Parts: sequence; structure tokens; C-alpha cells
Amino acid sequence: NAGVTQTPKFQVLKTGQSMTLQCAQDMNHEYMSWYRQDPGMGLRLIHYSVGAGITDQGEVPNGYNVSRSTTEDFPLRLLSAAPSQTSVYFCASSTYPPTGTRAGNTIYFGEGSWLTVV
Amino acid sequence: QKEVEQDPGPLSVPEGAIVSLNCTYSNSAFQYFMWYRQYSRKGPELLMYTYSSGNKEDGRFTAQVDKSSKYISLFIRDSQPSDSATYLCAMTSFASGGSYIPTFGRGTSLIVHP
Repeated sequence: NAGVTQTPKFQVLKTGQSMTLQCAQDMNHEYMSWYRQDPGMGLRLIHYSVGAGITDQGEVPNGYNVSRSTTEDFPLRLLSAAPSQTSVYFCASSTYPPTGTRAGNTIYFGEGSWLTVV
Repeated sequence: QKEVEQDPGPLSVPEGAIVSLNCTYSNSAFQYFMWYRQYSRKGPELLMYTYSSGNKEDGRFTAQVDKSSKYISLFIRDSQPSDSATYLCAMTSFASGGSYIPTFGRGTSLIVHP
């Protein structure tokens, strides 16, 4: 079972460069999201999507773009990388809306992408 | 003030101790309450979830929700070194007009030493 797959796992960028973090899920989930996790800050929602063609901003969207052209894929684009974007990024997916079952409430996370901007 | 407050720790306990992890929240619309466990350099994984108030037990783990106090807890009995991880609470509402987008606490780092 692949679940949620993120690539790359590690990346070093120079300030001003752009890149795309890839995320794919094979569970036919409607909801997909991107979080960044920084020490002491917990998980902060960047962008999310509740279906193909639908995206919305989370708590910290500045400097990031997303699109959702298929149910399976939800790439995160860094437009012009800044040192403040050095972080661990997690993609997540789940059914939407949540249901009263364990399967319907579980948010599945990818393994994470470690990004350093120098 | 964040919607969900969670003490980041670290919480260090000896093996075999009973561990209590807690979160408080301010949004009375929250109905689903979840606990995720995150090992170092891994993504979070769902450990337990509860709906509305009450207790739920799964092996050594008990999740407790007190909606009147807006307070949730995760108890770990007979803690093991393998329980060392960061524990994140998360919650969401299922009410009409509510947001289904989950809200996470900052996570509590737990260290169980032999």
C-alpha cells in the first residue's frame, strides 16, 4: 500500500530558486493538504484542497502555490525560495467530509520533505 | 490565543510510568478528537480518535474528552521506551456550517527512559 507519497525527501535550494514538492495518494481521498512543521510551532496548514479543481489557503500560504488537477496529485510550488521556508513539509490526505468511522476520520501523512534554503 | 493549546514538553518519564498528555481548546463546535503519534523524522500517524465526550480505550492507551471543560487527554499505561515520540492532538467539527479542516495542537514530546 503506497498511501501518501512525497518527493523529494531532501532538498537544498538557494535563495530565489523555485521548486515543486510532489505529493500523490492512491486512496481516492477528496481532501489533500500541505503542512509545514517547525520546532515549537507544530503543524501549520499551508494550502488544502477538498477535490480536483478546488484549493484554498491555510494558515501560512504566502510564498506557496498549489493546484489540484487530479484527485491523486497535489503539488506544492515554492515561487522564490527564502531562508524562512526552511522546514519539514508534510502532505496529508483523508476522506471528506469526515465520517464517524476510524477510516473516515484518519488523516494520512506522507513521510515528509526536508527543505533547506541557503 | 490558538484554538488548540498543547504543552510542547518535553515530558520525561521512567519506563512503566503512567503518562498523561493533554490539550485544551476554545471552539465548542469541535466534535471529533484525535491523537496522532509522530516518531522522529516520520510523518504523524493516527493513534486514537473519539467522538464527542467520554472515554475510549485501546490496549495501554485511553483517550478522554470533557467537552464541558474543553479538555482532552491521552493516558498511556505501563509506558515503554518505544512510546517515545511526539503526540499531537487534533480536532474537527462535523456540524452543519462548521469547518471539517482539522486543527492540530503543537505536539508534546514524550521521552520514556529505561
